[in-house]
Amino acid sequence: EDQVTQSPEALRLQEGESSSLNCSYTVSGLRGLFWYRQDPGKGPEFLFTLYSAGEEKEKERLKATLTKKESFLHITAPKPEDSATYLCAVQGLYGGSQGNLIFGKGTKLSVKP
Amino acid sequence: DVKVTQSSRYLVKRTGEKVFLECVQDMDHENMFWYRQDPGLGLRLIYFSYDVKMKEKGDIPEGYSVSREKKERFSLILESASTNQTSMYLCASSPRGNGYTFGSGTRLTVV
Repeated sequence: EDQVTQSPEALRLQEGESSSLNCSYTVSGLRGLFWYRQDPGKGPEFLFTLYSAGEEKEKERLKATLTKKESFLHITAPKPEDSATYLCAVQGLYGGSQGNLIFGKGTKLSVKP
Repeated sequence: DVKVTQSSRYLVKRTGEKVFLECVQDMDHENMFWYRQDPGLGLRLIYFSYDVKMKEKGDIPEGYSVSREKKERFSLILESASTNQTSMYLCASSPRGNGYTFGSGTRLTVV
């Protein structure tokens, strides 16, 4: 069964304190791995898609990396405005209409000034 | 930019009412989805659709139904609202084989 596990559930950082969020997955053939950011009371907002092991994507203070079993979202020198819940999702090669996304439960990041 | 528009940000309904949540996307996406999101439970898939007039049950379809009469519109219907359906409801759309674009969500409270 396809599965996504994110850790930690919650992470508190001081402004400028770099860290990483983990997304472990099992899927029978990976079509893509997705990262989303969700602010309280809003819908998830797309950040990155990764397709193959070794791939990396960057956006401002965020960098996403992918291996065959997990993905990391690295946050460098975070600011309070990076506080949000970060969701990871995988899409398998098989299944109807080329695969629904399977979501993790998210990591809630708080960055204190 | 792709837009997914949910008709209401906040709704308050009474127990037993029939409730309609509307979702419209403007980028000709084939796939559309309805999720609910509750603290500690994450996103749970209610129903999805790969084409007009087509629907499939997700993980928690009980108490819900859907309608997709036009490609751009996907409606979620609560046949008889109950307090345990108080939640954040999220609509999403995608082209085949790609990631989702989400709407801004509807916070539904059933009293």
